[in-house]
Amino acid sequence: DIQLTQSPSFLSASVGDRVTITCRASQGISSFLAWYQHKPGKAPKLLIYSASTLQSGVPSRFSGSGSGTEFTLTISSLQPEDFATYYCQQRNSYPLTFGGGTKVEIK
Amino acid sequence: EVQLAESGGGLVQPGGSLRLSCVASGFTLSDHYMDWVRQAPGKGLEWVGRSRKKVNSYGTEYAASVKGRFTISRDDSKNSFYLQMNSLETEDTAVYYCTRETAVGRGSDVWGQGTKVTVSS
Repeated sequence: DIQLTQSPSFLSASVGDRVTITCRASQGISSFLAWYQHKPGKAPKLLIYSASTLQSGVPSRFSGSGSGTEFTLTISSLQPEDFATYYCQQRNSYPLTFGGGTKVEIK
Repeated sequence: EVQLAESGGGLVQPGGSLRLSCVASGFTLSDHYMDWVRQAPGKGLEWVGRSRKKVNSYGTEYAASVKGRFTISRDDSKNSFYLQMNSLETEDTAVYYCTRETAVGRGSDVWGQGTKVTVSS
């Protein structure tokens, strides 16, 4: 199984900060990586697919990059509504797997 | 509007069974791969399994933790997707989401609101 390691697992930041979350895969997954935002009591929301393609309707302050085994999600200017937990997910091979999550909290 | 709505969650004893349903609206179920994803209390997201679309013969895949106990099926005529859960364990306690894959290999762009399953004696 492909393991995804997210770092950091917890992040404290202020509105307006630039935030970067890393996801490392235990083996190469090409660009078959998605990023999700999850808020308590809500359904997860797709932000990025194919490592770097912004899902329709997602603000342009979100961006993704990487391929192979190392990927990043960047929020260029953190907004109040961005405080949530973020997950990466590989879609290269079964079983599909998620990273452990990165919780972004208000400093 | 494109939507998914799960139902069927509840409290069940260890060793028991439960069937979750997911009704799709606003799109044609047979055109999409569909997944079940769960989140145990205080834990992260865990992929449970998948049903491929009609053109791929509705093939299924499962996580190792549920293989042999859970069965995914669908009824495209009812635009419905199912998760039959047998031999339930306390570790299966979670909120279960059904999701739609936007296109093969991309991401899950539509999620239901989730249905809670509690396995406890």
